Amino acid sequence: KAGVTQTPRYLIKTRGQQVTLSCSPISGHRSVSWYQQTPGQGLQFLFEYFSETQRNKGNFPGRFSGRQFSNSRSEMNVSTLELGDSALYLCASSQGTGDGQPQHFGDGTRLSIL
Amino acid sequence: DQQVKQNSPSLSVQEGRISILNCDYTNSMFDYFLWYKKYPAEGPTFLISISSIKDKNEDGRFTVFLNKSAKHLSLHIVPSQPGDSAVYFCAAKNTDKLIFGTGTRLQVFP
Repeated sequence: KAGVTQTPRYLIKTRGQQVTLSCSPISGHRSVSWYQQTPGQGLQFLFEYFSETQRNKGNFPGRFSGRQFSNSRSEMNVSTLELGDSALYLCASSQGTGDGQPQHFGDGTRLSIL
Repeated sequence: DQQVKQNSPSLSVQEGRISILNCDYTNSMFDYFLWYKKYPAEGPTFLISISSIKDKNEDGRFTVFLNKSAKHLSLHIVPSQPGDSAVYFCAAKNTDKLIFGTGTRLQVFP
């Protein structure tokens, strides 16, 4: 069974630009969550999508947005990039049925802002 | 507001001995607790979880203990192996949102 796939693996952008990251979940998984990992803040929850609807949201500004498609694939968009957005962005998928099934993570997209 | 805390940033254990990683939480509404292991340049890998209604769950060398009254959980690895060297994250689940601790770097030396 293929795991969670994130593209691209690495990305370099400059301040003010916008970026779109992609995530393909494990087949059959309907929930996709996004996390930001930075050295100072650890892993922080961005948002979760289930059946094309945002079901949970973390404490990030509106510059961070996402969407989910009918095949459960998800994209995350960050607009007006700031230096502090440099981080590892991780996507995780699960069945989303709330019964304790774990989330499985991709290897992330390393975003660097110059 | 750090709802999940791992107070030990690092732990060093000899091969074959027990590794004990600790985690404290503040929100009594969490329904599941999970442990993940992370190697550099890879995403976190799920290790083991425990429901809030249980106090112990075991899977091979890994055992998680939950003390609800103390809002504390721990991960025991017995026996520890060099391949266990990684960063371990404790996570608490509320609906489908995971709240992570800041991680503990475990080093297992020969």
